Amino acid sequence: EDQVTQSPEALRLQEGESSSLNCSYTVSGLRGLFWYRQDPGKGPEFLFTLYSAGEEKEKERLKATLTKKESFLHITAPKPEDSATYLCAVLSIKAAGNKLTFGGGTRVLVKP
Amino acid sequence: DAGVTQSPTHLIKTRGQQVTLRCSPKSGHDTVSWYQQALGQGPQFIFQYYEEEERQRGNFPDRFSGHQFPNYSSELNVNALLLGDSALYLCASSLATGGGYGYTFGSGTRLTVV
Repeated sequence: EDQVTQSPEALRLQEGESSSLNCSYTVSGLRGLFWYRQDPGKGPEFLFTLYSAGEEKEKERLKATLTKKESFLHITAPKPEDSATYLCAVLSIKAAGNKLTFGGGTRVLVKP
Repeated sequence: DAGVTQSPTHLIKTRGQQVTLRCSPKSGHDTVSWYQQALGQGPQFIFQYYEEEERQRGNFPDRFSGHQFPNYSSELNVNALLLGDSALYLCASSLATGGGYGYTFGSGTRLTVV
């Protein structure tokens, strides 16, 4: 069974203090690894899709990287508006349809 | 271009009652998936509908059922509600041929069971 574990569960940062979020996964053949941002009371908002080990993608202050066992979301010089829950999800080769398996998320709070 | 629309946004029900949640997919999408997200946790897959049939199901009891209509919209029904069913219910639409990419989530329905 596919499993996704995210750490830490929560992260408090000062504005400008860079950090990384971890997503460890176990999947029977990876079709894709997804990062989402979720604000309170809202649905997840798509950030990145990574397909193979060594791949990197960037968007503003966010950079996602992928290895064969884990993915990292690096937040560089965060601002208060980066405060949100960041979710990681995997799509397995063996998953029928488009079923995503999510981790528990990392709640990020950036203080000014 | 309208994204995924869910209704209602909030709902309060009593234990033992039944509830129906509704979802209109993003224009052009033909597949609808439902997820349950308990407070402080990640979304859990309930089931997925394509061509008006349940295509895949997660580890949820038969109290959870669904339907997809010819216009691709979908309903999630939960019978005999339990306190533990309190959660944010998310609908996500996509293209069946998209290989899982291009998932678009709605803002969810917050269900509270008292």
